[in-house]
Amino acid sequence: SQQGEEDPQALSIQEGENATMNCSYKTSINNLQWYRQNSGRGLVHLILIRSNEREKHSGRLRVTLDTSKKSSSLLITASRAADTASYFCATETDSWGKFQFGAGTQVVVTP
Amino acid sequence: GAGVSQTPSNKVTEKGKYVELRCDPISGHTALYWYRQSLGQGPEFLIYFQGTGAADDSGLPNDRFFAVRPEGSVSTLKIQRTERGDSAVYLCASSLTGGFAYEQYFGPGTRLTVT
Repeated sequence: SQQGEEDPQALSIQEGENATMNCSYKTSINNLQWYRQNSGRGLVHLILIRSNEREKHSGRLRVTLDTSKKSSSLLITASRAADTASYFCATETDSWGKFQFGAGTQVVVTP
Repeated sequence: GAGVSQTPSNKVTEKGKYVELRCDPISGHTALYWYRQSLGQGPEFLIYFQGTGAADDSGLPNDRFFAVRPEGSVSTLKIQRTERGDSAVYLCASSLTGGFAYEQYFGPGTRLTVT
């Protein structure tokens, strides 16, 4: 079974709009990562947030983490067609090195 | 520099056959991971190596699956008596060392089809 669940499963927006997706998980975590996957480049690491952090930024990406609600969100601002991809959250729980991915959010950005 | 490479990129085999999938991690990365991804799903953890040893193999679905990393670099995932349910994309990733503080670099995957 998968630890994380992304919501929504699919998201369709226009260029310039913001995209927000959420990840909920079941057990306490050490840290959480977000990845992007498209057919051209495979899985690419986007951002890591540790369990004692609440928010991180990287370029147009903003990630929040609420450990009390066991949830994280990924915001992509001013989206571009190149942001079209599937986005996954991955959590590491009590076993170092064992990562569990959610089913992903499929994002389509239209020009 | 070179990223994680996986061979073959595609493998078609008949049910019951044995297959080997190879992963060549980024040079100097001590941690290596295998995942399996089915259509429409996220990667499913299979096994994690730290150096030559399997630090966590709890994701291997059954004893038909086995993985080795004899010299702490290249790894081979071995599947015996393949079944149609084994069809998936097998992903390999490496990181500088084990633990979540380091990002994983993924290879392009091997698409396994069992007919």
